[in-house]
Amino acid sequence: AQSVTQLDSHVSVSEGTPVLLRCNYSSSYSPSLFWYVQHPNKGLQLLLKYTSAATLVKGINGFEAEFKKSETSFHLTKPSAHMSDAAEYFCVVSVSSGGSYIPTFGRGTSLIVHP
Amino acid sequence: ETGVTQSPTHLIKTRGQQVTLRCSSQSGHNTVSWYQQALGQGPQFIFQYYREEENGRGNFPPRFSGLQFPNYSSELNVNALELDDSALYLCASSPEGWSFYEQYFGPGTRLTVT
Repeated sequence: AQSVTQLDSHVSVSEGTPVLLRCNYSSSYSPSLFWYVQHPNKGLQLLLKYTSAATLVKGINGFEAEFKKSETSFHLTKPSAHMSDAAEYFCVVSVSSGGSYIPTFGRGTSLIVHP
Repeated sequence: ETGVTQSPTHLIKTRGQQVTLRCSSQSGHNTVSWYQQALGQGPQFIFQYYREEENGRGNFPPRFSGLQFPNYSSELNVNALELDDSALYLCASSPEGWSFYEQYFGPGTRLTVT
């Protein structure tokens, strides 16, 4: 069984300050982990992925995430928030099981960026 | 390159009715997945089709069914609609099989069941 918990439903930051979106996962096997972003009225877009290579993963738009197995975490960070970063962010875990990779999404974190 | 498109954009149905949602995959993609996203929730995986056959299914009842056509476009059919089926339905295509990180999502169809 696998699950993912996004620890904050809303995160509010000022433009130019760091962003931290927290994600913990639970998985019986080695997971693949992802962060997706969803802007209003637009499709989900992949930000970055971890698939058992380097534990520090760099994504698009200056985002990065670090896989910490001991803490079962995959937190998303960005050094400096931009107004255009305001969106809904989803952490996803996916584990291979019988040839399938059923993805499990977290409930999402709404990032609010103040000018 | 054309992205993933879905139709219709919005739909209102009555409880007990049936609905068909459509998805056109990105060019060159032979795999399509469907997700249900209830308001305030993350997407939930419904099923995936690879080369016209179901290739994985989430925890959804049999009244949720799908089809994938030779041109790799896809349909999601929901029978006997219930109020809880009200959600945003997302389609995603990928180039080959279970490449979840290669999935490209459409904008979704908003279904309201009254």
